[in-house]
Amino acid sequence: DQQVKQNSPSLSVQEGRISILNCDYTNSMFDYFLWYKKYPAEGPTFLISISSIKDKNEDGRFTVFLNKSAKHLSLHIVPSQPGDSAVYFCAAGSFRSNDYKLSFGAGTTVTVRA
Amino acid sequence: DTAVSQTPKYLVTQMGNDKSIKCEQNLGHDTMYWYKQDSKKFLKIMFSYNNKELIINETVPNRFSPKSPDKAHLNLHINSLELGDSAVYFCASSQEGNYMNTEAFFGQGTRLTVV
Repeated sequence: DQQVKQNSPSLSVQEGRISILNCDYTNSMFDYFLWYKKYPAEGPTFLISISSIKDKNEDGRFTVFLNKSAKHLSLHIVPSQPGDSAVYFCAAGSFRSNDYKLSFGAGTTVTVRA
Repeated sequence: DTAVSQTPKYLVTQMGNDKSIKCEQNLGHDTMYWYKQDSKKFLKIMFSYNNKELIINETVPNRFSPKSPDKAHLNLHINSLELGDSAVYFCASSQEGNYMNTEAFFGQGTRLTVV
């Protein structure tokens, strides 16, 4: 039973445009959320996070939005650049569980076209 | 100065063999993990150690045994390898604390192929 779902396996976007990646979760215990970026043959690298006390967090070209009532978060990349082509994983965790375990989605492959 | 390093990067072995994957982190983190990425690309946690003590042990066969000689190392030993163990295994570490520090840092992964 996947508690974190990324329903779009792939996304193609033109350079300079906005990339929007979506993520849904089912476990109401989750109170912090992270996005990871992964290049082929490398481990995932942390991109941006948000806690449940916020609904938006911005870091440069990356913005994460959280809608707790819908159990939904999204990652916006604007403007998209060729180097953004990678697999993006959504992850969620719970401070209350006290184990720092992250549950991951299946990933969305982003391709930025020149 | 790799933060989380795991060796080997690739491992091909026959069914029934015993193998180990090593992981080391130089970030001074208290918590280390092993994740498995299966053929469907899901990253699933297997184990978590905090200061050398086992915190999480998901439903993983007994053939998998993590060993943490110190808090900078978490090795994964697998006995009697099976075809279904073929996957990419990621080691990761994180620091306790508030949410700003809870992101996990991952190693590059070890692609295990059992033939």
